[in-house]
Amino acid sequence: GENVEQHPSTLSVQEGDSAVIKCTYSDSASNYFPWYKQELGKGPQLIIDIRSNVGEKKDQRIAVTLNKTAKHFSLHITETQPEDSAVYFCAATIQKLVFGTGTRLLVSP
Amino acid sequence: GAVVSQHPSRVICKSGTSVKIECRSLDFQATTMFWYRQFPKQSLMLMATSNEGSKATYEQGVEKDKFLINHASLTLSTLTVTSAHPEDSSFYICSASEGPLNTEAFFGQGTRLTVV
Repeated sequence: GENVEQHPSTLSVQEGDSAVIKCTYSDSASNYFPWYKQELGKGPQLIIDIRSNVGEKKDQRIAVTLNKTAKHFSLHITETQPEDSAVYFCAATIQKLVFGTGTRLLVSP
Repeated sequence: GAVVSQHPSRVICKSGTSVKIECRSLDFQATTMFWYRQFPKQSLMLMATSNEGSKATYEQGVEKDKFLINHASLTLSTLTVTSAHPEDSSFYICSASEGPLNTEAFFGQGTRLTVV
């Protein structure tokens, strides 16, 4: 089955810096790659997603890139703000979402 | 995005009792709903997938007689933790999708279950 690895597990940046979180997946048949933000005590919130027929997608300060050949995809957050602090999960799916292990992002003022 | 409402957000129950958690899609019809369990500082682990009107499909290692799932309508799925024990204490999260899983799945707010 699908296996998703996510790095780093924790990431600390200064406000205004960029943050990059990387994920790799194992099943080349996976065709949908969402990213979720989870705040403490809450459910995950979809922030951006990308499908296998697209290499890059951007939404304001958030962007996701996908390299199908290498089977990895990344989340890029520019101009980080303290409210971006949360746990971020990547996921990959053919039929069932398989989540990465999560990245705890801390943005310091 | 679409709204998925999960209730209750927190529940404390005594060992041996049963607890029901509801998951509702408020503004769309959820053909498929999913139940996850999340331990502190860990990722989400899929417990089961339910399709409206049919039996849920459980992941390996999940006791179907302990975690009863009902998906009676296109907007409501319930998870009942039967004969709860302290080790069942966890954060339970549902999600709902209009179609196949590779479309957007929207998550509920989660339920913190504590069994004392």
